[in-house]
Amino acid sequence: KAGVTQTPRYLIKTRGQQVTLSCSPISGHRSVSWYQQTPGQGLQFLFEYFSETQRNKGNFPGRFSGRQFSNSRSEMNVSTLELGDSALYLCASSLEGGFGEQFFGPGTRLTVL
Amino acid sequence: DAKTTQPTSMDCAEGRAANLPCNHSTISGNEYVYWYRQIHSQGPQYIIHGLKNNETNEMASLIITEDRKSSTLILPHATLRDTAVYYCIVRVFSSNTGKLIFGQGTTLQVKP
Repeated sequence: KAGVTQTPRYLIKTRGQQVTLSCSPISGHRSVSWYQQTPGQGLQFLFEYFSETQRNKGNFPGRFSGRQFSNSRSEMNVSTLELGDSALYLCASSLEGGFGEQFFGPGTRLTVL
Repeated sequence: DAKTTQPTSMDCAEGRAANLPCNHSTISGNEYVYWYRQIHSQGPQYIIHGLKNNETNEMASLIITEDRKSSTLILPHATLRDTAVYYCIVRVFSSNTGKLIFGQGTTLQVKP
């Protein structure tokens, strides 16, 4: 069974631009979560989607948004990029969310110049 | 979710058991202890979880104290590939969220 895939793996943007990251969960998984990892703040929860609905959100500004499609694939968008948005963005999927094991993708490394 | 405290770093000799402690003194009765690890530049990987009984799988063993205020993850025969950051996470058993709250974790360095 294929794992969680994230595209692109690396991305370079400039301040003020916007970016869209994509996550394809493991087949059959309906829950997708997004995390931001930086050296200073560590791993922080961004949001979680289940059956196309956002059911949990972390403490991030409104510039960070996401969505989930009917096939469970998810995208996250960051608008008006800031230097501090440079990070590894990780996506995790699970069958139903909740109690189950979370399977993480390899991440997208975003660099904002 | 309860807060966890882990040592910042630990060393272990290759082939020896690695014992990673975690303190979760404010854990509630319906909270589970989960362990994940993150090998450099990869996504975190689930290792094991437990409520109050000791648990073992092909990767590791989890020992939870009787009062549940602390736990120890044991890698029985550490290899160089076990060098990673290990995260101890306490989660409420919930059907409506998969959210994980990561602390700073323990950096385990396995040395030859």
